[in-house]
Amino acid sequence: QKEVEQNSGPLSVPEGAIASLNCTYSDRVSQSFFWYRQYSGKSPELIMSIYSNGDKEDGRFTAQLNKASQYVSLLIRDSQPSDSATYLCAVNRGAAGNKLTFGGGTRVLVKP
Amino acid sequence: SQTIHQWPATLVQPVGSPLSLECTVEGTSNPNLYWYRQAAGRGLQLLFYSVGIGQISSEVPQNLSASRPQDRQFILSSKKLLLSDSGFYLCAWSLGPQETQYFGPGTRLLVL
Repeated sequence: QKEVEQNSGPLSVPEGAIASLNCTYSDRVSQSFFWYRQYSGKSPELIMSIYSNGDKEDGRFTAQLNKASQYVSLLIRDSQPSDSATYLCAVNRGAAGNKLTFGGGTRVLVKP
Repeated sequence: SQTIHQWPATLVQPVGSPLSLECTVEGTSNPNLYWYRQAAGRGLQLLFYSVGIGQISSEVPQNLSASRPQDRQFILSSKKLLLSDSGFYLCAWSLGPQETQYFGPGTRLLVL
């Protein structure tokens, strides 16, 4: 079992729709969770961090964390063609201190 | 505000040649620093991290090494490059072990 798992996609969504991305992790002691967006050929950029169970909203993005079920999700509302990118889920395993473990990423395609 | 620089942006090197990639951070003191590699179509792999000058932790045994000669400078080196060293090398910084990591623009390395 991979430490952090994501569906590789592509996830194709029409413009204006909601894109829903999921991420599961294996280490129950994980404490910090991050979503990054990576455009082709570019470096990852932070979308959102989440540390507590529940929802966290920032603009069109909502992160959801459920530690009991060991998953974290990202919703993108009113999807735009500029949201087409690969979304990386990252988990900081508390027991391992400094280490961020990344999932393989989900590629999202927003079609006009 | 903090900024992170990497150079060179792209590099083409022959097999067996040495390597030196540099990363510098501005606008913060005593950051945690990280080197990642992203092979084509793959996820991010943590190579090294550093919590202070001269303190390097290696995550993956290979022909690469890292050094931190100054507080905000992180260098990735190799004495002899292999074909498998090709990839996108990313430097990142954070304020602490559980904090958000911010990525530099990356160096794309092609070993021929």
